[in-house]
Amino acid sequence: SYVLTQPPSVSVAPGQTARITCGGNSIGDKSLHWYQQKPGQAPVLVVHEDSERPSGIPERFSGSNSGHTATLTISRVEVGDEADYYCQVWDGSSSDVIFGGGTQLTVL
Amino acid sequence: QVQLVQSGTEVKRPGASVKVSCKPSGYPFKTYGMSWVRQAPGQGLEWVAWLSAYNQKIYYTPSLQDRVTMTTDRSTGEAYMELTSLTSDDTAVYYCARTLGITPFFDSWGQGTLVIVSS
Repeated sequence: SYVLTQPPSVSVAPGQTARITCGGNSIGDKSLHWYQQKPGQAPVLVVHEDSERPSGIPERFSGSNSGHTATLTISRVEVGDEADYYCQVWDGSSSDVIFGGGTQLTVL
Repeated sequence: QVQLVQSGTEVKRPGASVKVSCKPSGYPFKTYGMSWVRQAPGQGLEWVAWLSAYNQKIYYTPSLQDRVTMTTDRSTGEAYMELTSLTSDDTAVYYCARTLGITPFFDSWGQGTLVIVSS
């Protein structure tokens, strides 16, 4: 089955740029979505269809997807951005929704 | 605004079944898809099921498809997820989520229902 690979953790200082990657075979051919989840809360969609931002999500959140890697970029990182981030695709060959293992973002 | 309200915590014995409900509001229930996603303690997200608004077909994750059933009651506008033959590995928070797209993604989530399987 299709596998999405994320780094377990990413650390960044406030005000800097965080980049969280999501790797998969020809992932650029798929529609890729990102979720933010803070402790004890339900996930929140922050980017859909590679680079689209839902209403209410700050412009600091952006996404890209090409080749074998998708990236969630968070500019001007704030302490409130500390959370787990998950990427997700639909694998049509197996009719399965696939999540990455998640990346814990720490704001130092 | 869009809200999805789920039923409360369940504690079940191994081998039992559980049925979790989800009541959406703030949007026309019939014109959006619905999914269930679960999260074991300290673990990542795992998709369980998806009702597509495009073809009204229900898709299940292969690892659970023999034990899980997703249903909806259009008269009450509620969605349900039933899981049978429970084991301790099914202990998790179960989320319902409004689902968009032909290749699905989840734009609004319920608050989660904790299901504990313990003898």
